[in-house]
Amino acid sequence: QSALTQPRSVSGSPGQSVTISCTGTSSDVGGYNYVSWYQQHPGKTPKLMIYDVSNRPSGVPDRFSGSKSVNTASLTISGLQAEDESDYYCASYAGSYTLLFGGGTKLIVL
Amino acid sequence: QLQLQESGPGLVKPSETLSLTCTVSGGSVSSSSYYWGWIRQPPGKGLEWVGSIYYSGSTYYNPSLKSRVTISVDTSKKQFSLRVTSVSASDSAVYHCARLSGNYFPESWGQGTLVTVSS
Repeated sequence: QSALTQPRSVSGSPGQSVTISCTGTSSDVGGYNYVSWYQQHPGKTPKLMIYDVSNRPSGVPDRFSGSKSVNTASLTISGLQAEDESDYYCASYAGSYTLLFGGGTKLIVL
Repeated sequence: QLQLQESGPGLVKPSETLSLTCTVSGGSVSSSSYYWGWIRQPPGKGLEWVGSIYYSGSTYYNPSLKSRVTISVDTSKKQFSLRVTSVSASDSAVYHCARLSGNYFPESWGQGTLVTVSS
């Protein structure tokens, strides 16, 4: 099993939209609708933002949305705000009760 | 409200065994709806799933760590534990315990505890 592939960093200006990709294989991202996304501010605990590809937990703004196409999942943040600057990690079920995480993406709000 | 709290030594010598415990409050490790797991994060690096356990005792491990990892649960104490044998510097990380939904995704996390492997 190899880690899911995420861009090292993405950036956007306040009010804009950004998309973070998460690429896996047919054995993980492409094989199951169990992709999740986490926001982690420096020194803090990861926070669940999206689960089951596109579902938002209660309390997560609807500016955050998730999708998937074949072996690549995406997290889109619209109406970018300064507080969105953070590290974002994707995760996917990989069969046989195993989980894979992505390497993480640093979102920079310009 | 669910709370998870990790505890254990912050310093472990190379080749020795790392042992951590997660105490669960505001929820039950005996729930059939959830799995309980460990996720680690080396300083400045990404997240890595270590393994998970179901209340029945069934365990699931990261294939890259499977030979060195054991996770157990004590429902009476509302705790689950992690052991990693033959540790090296690459095992130095913040270790988080977590509640997982169907072992598909971690939904609640402990604050994490830093374990450093050094002589």
